Amino acid sequence: DSGVTQTPKHLITATGQRVTLRCSPRSGDLSVYWYQQSLDQGLQFLIQYYNGEERAKGNILERFSAQQFPDLHSELNLSSLELGDSALYFCASRGGLAVDTQYFGPGTRLTVL
Amino acid sequence: TQLLEQSPQFLSIQEGENLTVYCNSSSVFSSLQWYRQEPGEGPVLLVTVVTGGEVKKLKRLTFQFGDARKDSSLHITAAQPGDTGLYLCAGESAYTGFQKLVFGTGTRLLVSP
Repeated sequence: DSGVTQTPKHLITATGQRVTLRCSPRSGDLSVYWYQQSLDQGLQFLIQYYNGEERAKGNILERFSAQQFPDLHSELNLSSLELGDSALYFCASRGGLAVDTQYFGPGTRLTVL
Repeated sequence: TQLLEQSPQFLSIQEGENLTVYCNSSSVFSSLQWYRQEPGEGPVLLVTVVTGGEVKKLKRLTFQFGDARKDSSLHITAAQPGDTGLYLCAGESAYTGFQKLVFGTGTRLLVSP
């Protein structure tokens, strides 16, 4: 158990819909990262938040957005869903900004039908 | 652009055999990490290497960081069925953006009894 929790574990929805994925980092970790893992693209970095502020952006679509709340939990919002958005979405947390370990949550499997 | 190429993509071996997985890039990384991921779970960190030429051992696993910090290898001695999983290398650098991991293409290992 990494100490990072993600909900829900599975999500099945239809094209055009909007969903919210939730992540609670390890106790005390200020950084939260979101990744997307699909069969054809591998594990891709989406976005990072540090203590409530956006810190780095990766290959995140404009239809996707994220935020980190004062209690440090984070949400990833995916809208106007397409079939190609079906993937595993992982959250990872990290203690500080220096080189350090990222601890991954168990992921949310999103299926868009 | 995929910065980290792993080889082989798939490896199916018998228990007791040795194997090596390679992670190569044309870019220099300040640190490189190896993860193992099992189905339905998030990646779990195995090791972090930061110094060119560094060798780290974790029981039957030996990790090496290339002298130029552009490549790495993972060697498993006497593989066991419990070693089965997806092995991912991930790098962090000024080019990718510090604190942002770029993951390799992955090596799927199957060890049969």
